[in-house]
Amino acid sequence: EDQVTQSPEALRLQEGESSSLNCSYTVSGLRGLFWYRQDPGKGPEFLFTLYSAGEEKEKERLKATLTKKESFLHITAPKPEDSATYLCAVRSGNDYKLSFGAGTTVTVRA
Amino acid sequence: GAVVSQHPSWVICKSGTSVKIECRSLDFQATTMFWYRQFPKQSLMLMATSNEGSKATYEQGVEKDKFLINHASLTLSTLTVTSAHPEDSSFYICSVLGLAGESSYNEQFFGPGTRLTVL
Repeated sequence: EDQVTQSPEALRLQEGESSSLNCSYTVSGLRGLFWYRQDPGKGPEFLFTLYSAGEEKEKERLKATLTKKESFLHITAPKPEDSATYLCAVRSGNDYKLSFGAGTTVTVRA
Repeated sequence: GAVVSQHPSWVICKSGTSVKIECRSLDFQATTMFWYRQFPKQSLMLMATSNEGSKATYEQGVEKDKFLINHASLTLSTLTVTSAHPEDSSFYICSVLGLAGESSYNEQFFGPGTRLTVL
């Protein structure tokens, strides 16, 4: 069974204070690691997909990296609008099902 | 990515009644959709996989007779919560498989969710 563990559970940052979120995973044959952003009361918004160790992807102030055991989501010089819950999910089978971690709730203060 | 809508965005019902939630893929023909449930401060839990023209596949522990899924067209899947009880109160979210930008793989794109409150 796929296992996804995210840390920390919550992260409070000052505007401009860069930090990283961790997603550790255990799967039998990774077929994709996904990062989503979720605002309160809304559905998750797709950010990135990573497929192999060493891969990196960037979008504005966000950068996602992947190793064989974990993924990091780096937030560079965050702004208050980056406040959200960031979810990590993995896919290991041919059926496209995702297993989600519990998420990291990021709060950025102005 | 795919654009997904859900209706209603929120619903309040009495215990024992049935509630239908619609999930529409607005710009993409979705042969596969997924239904999730999310309790407060918890992550998404997959309930079932909905395939167009065939029966849904339910995850272990999800009652198929209580959560009826119909995927009658390539743009619409419905989830009916039958004989709802207060413990069914939750945030229900659907997703569709769609192509993301340059990727040749399929990512899931989520709807905005439906908040169900059972009194």
